Amino acid sequence: KAGVTQTPRYLIKTRGQQVTLSCSPISGHRSVSWYQQTPGQGLQFLFEYFSETQRNKGNFPGRFSGRQFSNSRSEMNVSTLELGDSALYLCASSSKVDGREQYFGPGTRLTVT
Amino acid sequence: KQEVTQIPAALSVPEGENLVLNCSFTDSAIYNLQWFRQDPGKGLTSLLLIQSSQREQTSGRLNASLDKSSGRSTLYIAASQPGDSATYLCAVIPLGGSYIPTFGRGTSLIVHP
Repeated sequence: KAGVTQTPRYLIKTRGQQVTLSCSPISGHRSVSWYQQTPGQGLQFLFEYFSETQRNKGNFPGRFSGRQFSNSRSEMNVSTLELGDSALYLCASSSKVDGREQYFGPGTRLTVT
Repeated sequence: KQEVTQIPAALSVPEGENLVLNCSFTDSAIYNLQWFRQDPGKGLTSLLLIQSSQREQTSGRLNASLDKSSGRSTLYIAASQPGDSATYLCAVIPLGGSYIPTFGRGTSLIVHP
C-alpha cells in the first residue's frame, strides 16, 4: 500500500502570497490531520478532517484553512503569508474513526521570503 | 494548557551505549503517551504507545515508561546503533474524543560508529 504523499515537497513563496499544500492519504483512510513544525514552536496540531468535515482545529489564525475531498485527499491553504509561516507542514492519515494510529507523510517544506 | 518538555535537546554518543531520553508534561490527567522517531526531511514514525493505564511498553531495543504521578516518561534505547540517529519526539494524547497530540520539541540523537 502506498504511504501518505504530500506535494509539493519544497516550496518558496513571498510574503503576502497564498499557498496550497496537498496531501493524499493512505487508501481507505478517512481521517487526515495537518501539523506545522518550526524550530521555535516545535510540532503543533493545525486541524483534522474526517469524511470531508473539519472535526478539530488547533490554535492557529484564520489564515490557515483546509478542506477534504470525497476521495479523502486534503488540501491546506495559507493566505497572506508571513515570514513566521516558514515551516515543515506534515500531513497524517488514519483509518480509525477517532483519528488514532496516524501515518505521517514526508512533509512540505515551505519557505517564505 | 498542556506543556511537554524533552531533555536533553541533543545527544551525541558512541555506538553501543545505553541511552535514556526524558519527557515531562505539566498536566498529568488521564492521557496516553506516544514516542515517535523523525528522520531528517521525513515525517514521524510511531515507536511506542503507552496507554494511560499502563506503566511501560517494549519493542525490541526500545523501552518506554510512564509515571503519571510525576508527569514523566522515559525512552530507553539499549545498545545504540548508528541507525538510531534521528530526532525522538514524545506526545501526550488526551483520552476520548479525537486524537489531538501535544508534542515535545524532541531530542536530536547522533550515534557515531
